Amino acid sequence: EVHLVESGGGLVQPGGSLRLSCVASGFTFSSHWMHWVRQVPGKGLVWVSRINADGTSSSTRYVDSVKGRFTISRDNAKNTLYLQMNSLRAEDTAVYYCGRGVGGHDALDIWGQGTMVTVSS
Amino acid sequence: DIVMTQSPDSLAVSLGERATINCKSSQSVLYNSNNLNYLAWYQQKPGQPPHLLIDWASTRESGVPDRFTGSGSGTDFTLTIDSLQAEDVAVYYCQQYYSTPPTFGGGTKVEIK
Repeated sequence: EVHLVESGGGLVQPGGSLRLSCVASGFTFSSHWMHWVRQVPGKGLVWVSRINADGTSSSTRYVDSVKGRFTISRDNAKNTLYLQMNSLRAEDTAVYYCGRGVGGHDALDIWGQGTMVTVSS
Repeated sequence: DIVMTQSPDSLAVSLGERATINCKSSQSVLYNSNNLNYLAWYQQKPGQPPHLLIDWASTRESGVPDRFTGSGSGTDFTLTIDSLQAEDVAVYYCQQYYSTPPTFGGGTKVEIK
């Protein structure tokens, strides 16, 4: 069965850092684009970042609000996706989902259960 | 960025009746070279992650009941739920993936009347 399991969320002070992880199983991880999407509880979905299958830095994209602060990466040998989040702000508080891209496009057909990130002093 | 606008924000429908959700994009998401609309619909039930129902505006994902139908092209799209069931209570989102960043509509909450 196909699974994505996120971890690494928690409470962090403004200006702090966190690294989220997403472990994939049940499919060929290295063949798929992977994404991070966030959601403030009770609010809508916001796409955060994407990395292509090969995982090179040139294959990454970000929403403007996180550019220069967040870095997406992957380790295909470990079937793991990462999101390094630096200079965190209160407005980054959300549930962060990892998701598998459909083919080479930005629709997401598999989602993890999410990990909560709270930025507060 | 392409802005996705959904309507209504919420609707209450009787069991067995039809629910209709609209989604409008600020620019066309139809890619002329392949005649595909880069538009997806998701269902999110309380406490769960989103679930992909439809992509390419009208292609139902495997296992999605055929009471869910996506239609539309260009900038105007519709998700129709025929014969609403209790398990369809959820928030529904449209998403364009025509251009980066992919963007979502604000969501439509479907409840039972």
